[in-house]
Formats: sequence, structure tokens, C-alpha cells
Amino acid sequence: AQSVAQPEDQVNVAEGNPLTVKCTYSVSGNPYLFWYVQYPNRGLQFLLKYITGDNLVKGSYGFEAEFNKSQTSFHLKKPSALVSDSALYFCAVRDMRGAGNMLTFGGGTRLMVKP
Amino acid sequence: DADVTQTPRNRITKTGKRIMLECSQTKGHDRMYWYRQDPGLGLRLIYYSFDVKDINKGEISDGYSVSRQAQAKFSLSLESAIPNQTALYFCATSDPGRPETQYFGPGTRLLVL
Repeated sequence: AQSVAQPEDQVNVAEGNPLTVKCTYSVSGNPYLFWYVQYPNRGLQFLLKYITGDNLVKGSYGFEAEFNKSQTSFHLKKPSALVSDSALYFCAVRDMRGAGNMLTFGGGTRLMVKP
Repeated sequence: DADVTQTPRNRITKTGKRIMLECSQTKGHDRMYWYRQDPGLGLRLIYYSFDVKDINKGEISDGYSVSRQAQAKFSLSLESAIPNQTALYFCATSDPGRPETQYFGPGTRLLVL
């Protein structure tokens, strides 16, 4: 079965510092990996995805993610954090149920960016 | 979020009551999903539908039922609510051409007393 793990419940970072939110995956076959963000009182929003190609994927709001096959990781990064980046972040993997149209989500990581 | 709407946004109910959560979308997507979110558990899939006549159980369908009234509408029912169904419920849609990218509604916060 496909799965993702987010080892940190919360990440704290000062505004202007780089941030990393960690995700590891377990899949059979080639992984399709995603990051979603959830702002307070909102639904999840798609940030970026890795399907194939370059290991560094760029997404919305200045975020990027690095795919590392040997470490089975897909960490979310941003060079300079903003207070407005404070939110709940979910890593997800394509699930092959339903002809591959499903997503399996990690437990989420709360990012707190302090001024 | 305006493309996918959910009603109600908040609901308090009592154990044993039947309630319905509604979802509507204007994106024209065939595929719709219902998830519940619990702290630390991420999102778990309750039901999904690939078109009006195709409805499937997700990983936690027990105690829930759904109805796909039209392409744009997908309702989730709790036949007899229980306290451990207290959670945040999300509806989502996806485009057949990009099935892995899902669009979420704003969520319904449900409290079962």
C-alpha cells in the first residue's frame, strides 16, 4: 500500500529564515507525490507535485520540494519564510485504488512562522 | 474555494440523529470525494464518486452513506450520529484529465454530543 509519513507535528521558524517540512514515502512503483496547504478555516489547496523529471519541483507561493529517491523523501522547502506561510501542510501520494485517481495523505505538519 | 461549496459550515447534533452534509461544485468535474480530518491523522477518505452512477467506499465508510444527485452535487449522510464522528469534513473534486490534483471545499465542522 502507498503511504506517506510526516515525522514532525509542528515546525517553528523565524520569519526570513529558510524552512523545511519533511515527508517520507513508501510506494510500489514510481511515486507521484504532492504537497497541499491548509490555511485556517479553509480547505486544502494544491501547492506542487512531482511526477517525473527534475528532482527539484517548484510550486505556488515560492515553495519548492526536493524529491530524493534514495532516501524516499519529498521535503517541502522555502528559502525565506513569511508569517503568512503559517498553516497546516500535508504531503500526499497517489494511491492506485480507483485507477490511480486517489490520494493518500500524511498526518499533516503545522508550520508556525514567528515575526 | 468558491468553486466547491459545503453546507452547513458548522453543525452541532446529538447522538442518534441523522444529518446530511452537502457539497456543490461549479468546476464541471466528474469526480467527487468526501474526507474527514482528525488531528494528527490527516485526511481519510470516506466515499468517492467518479460519476453519477459510480459510487465507491473509501477506507472509513462505516456509519456513513452518500448520494450523488447530479454531477455537481454530492451529499454525505450520517444515519445515526455518534460522538466519534466529531470531525472536520471536506468535499473535494478532481478533473479526469488531472485526477491527482484535487480541489477542496472549505469544510464542515461537525460536533456530535
